[in-house]
Amino acid sequence: DVKVTQSSRYLVKRTGEKVFLECVQDMDHENMFWYRQDPGLGLRLIYFSYDVKMKEKGDIPEGYSVSREKKERFSLILESASTNQTSMYLCASRGRPETQYFGPGTRLLVL
Amino acid sequence: AQSVTQPDIHITVSEGASLELRCNYSYGATPYLFWYVQSPGQGLQLLLKYFSGDTLVQGIKGFEAEFKRSQSSFNLRKPSVHWSDAAEYFCAVGERGSQGNLIFGKGTKLSVKP
Repeated sequence: DVKVTQSSRYLVKRTGEKVFLECVQDMDHENMFWYRQDPGLGLRLIYFSYDVKMKEKGDIPEGYSVSREKKERFSLILESASTNQTSMYLCASRGRPETQYFGPGTRLLVL
Repeated sequence: AQSVTQPDIHITVSEGASLELRCNYSYGATPYLFWYVQSPGQGLQLLLKYFSGDTLVQGIKGFEAEFKRSQSSFNLRKPSVHWSDAAEYFCAVGERGSQGNLIFGKGTKLSVKP
């Protein structure tokens, strides 16, 4: 079974803090994704990566950056957290063919 | 541009009743199609997927979905709903030959009455 893990289930941070969300997959997948999920807006793609050190912007990259130094790990970084980044963050890894597998999510609250 | 529409935001059914959740997509060719389920506070779990071949696909937990090209639909069905099926359901569309990006519908929340 594909396993995607996220470093924290719940996180509380203060405005202006730098926040790291980590995602690890154990299936040697090339493509990994970060989404945020908000009520009524569904899932929105923030960034994705198709290989180590490669990244592409999704639909809402503003205020976020990512890092992919190893194939199994994809990190989402909030350079200076703001209250409008309070959300549920979901990581996914893409297997073949074309199927995304999700982690359990990180619920982030920015005060 | 691709889009996915789930017309029902919230559906309530009685336990033991049948269920159909609607999904319509807008795409020029035959896409990859998926249904995911999300329990409160959890990530998304894959229920089933369609790539090609038989248009009726079976998934986990007794769910099935039917691809209808003429209607651009991929509706999810279950003959008898259990209380544990209460969750949010997401339909998603993917483009063949892409980087694996998916377009998600906004979800349908299912409540189950005892």
